[in-house]
Amino acid sequence: GAGVSQSPSNKVTEKGKDVELRCDPISGHTALYWYRQSLGQGLEFLIYFQGNSAPDKSGLPSDRFSAERTGGSVSTLTIQRTQQEDSAVYLCASSPRQGGFEQYFGPGTRLTVT
Amino acid sequence: AQSVTQLGSHVSVSEGALVLLRCNYSSSVPPYLFWYVQYPNQGLQLLLKYTSAATLVKGINGFEAEFKKSETSFHLTKPSAHMSDAAEYFCAVSDRVVPTFGRGTSLIVHP
Repeated sequence: GAGVSQSPSNKVTEKGKDVELRCDPISGHTALYWYRQSLGQGLEFLIYFQGNSAPDKSGLPSDRFSAERTGGSVSTLTIQRTQQEDSAVYLCASSPRQGGFEQYFGPGTRLTVT
Repeated sequence: AQSVTQLGSHVSVSEGALVLLRCNYSSSVPPYLFWYVQYPNQGLQLLLKYTSAATLVKGINGFEAEFKKSETSFHLTKPSAHMSDAAEYFCAVSDRVVPTFGRGTSLIVHP
């Protein structure tokens, strides 16, 4: 079946602009995660959605970052007033349930802020 | 709280040699443990997972890992490296809803 998809695959934006990154999880997966991966770094947790529960936003680095998940499916990560330090690969993952279940990752969106 | 330490940001082996990638974890409850692989310009792909069944876990591509509670370790091994194994490897621990990932180990395979 279809895996996790993300769009766009690459995004170049000017400092100060807003960007939206999209994630389509695997159908039926209730858990959805966003991570940020900077060059040579591990995965930095950003936000987690589980079903209709309130999202865990504890990893968002600043109030310029926000995310929503509509209808328990598609998710959008929005970065307002982008800064150069926001340049990274943004990975989305989904999971059938929370906790001990493996995550299925999308290919990522490479964001470059000039 | 949970944490993961991957020893060595880079590991270099010759083709055909043993691969050993180290992972130590910290968890307040019996954890779920995972190894993922990331090829260039791709997302992460699950190699194997430990979920409190057998302590020796076999994964894809000939990899396996052994859960050692006394050592809080979950090292990844493969008897014979192949050029196609060159990639970034991540260990992850989950004792709650959000897994914690290590910083990754880059495996370099020399011909």
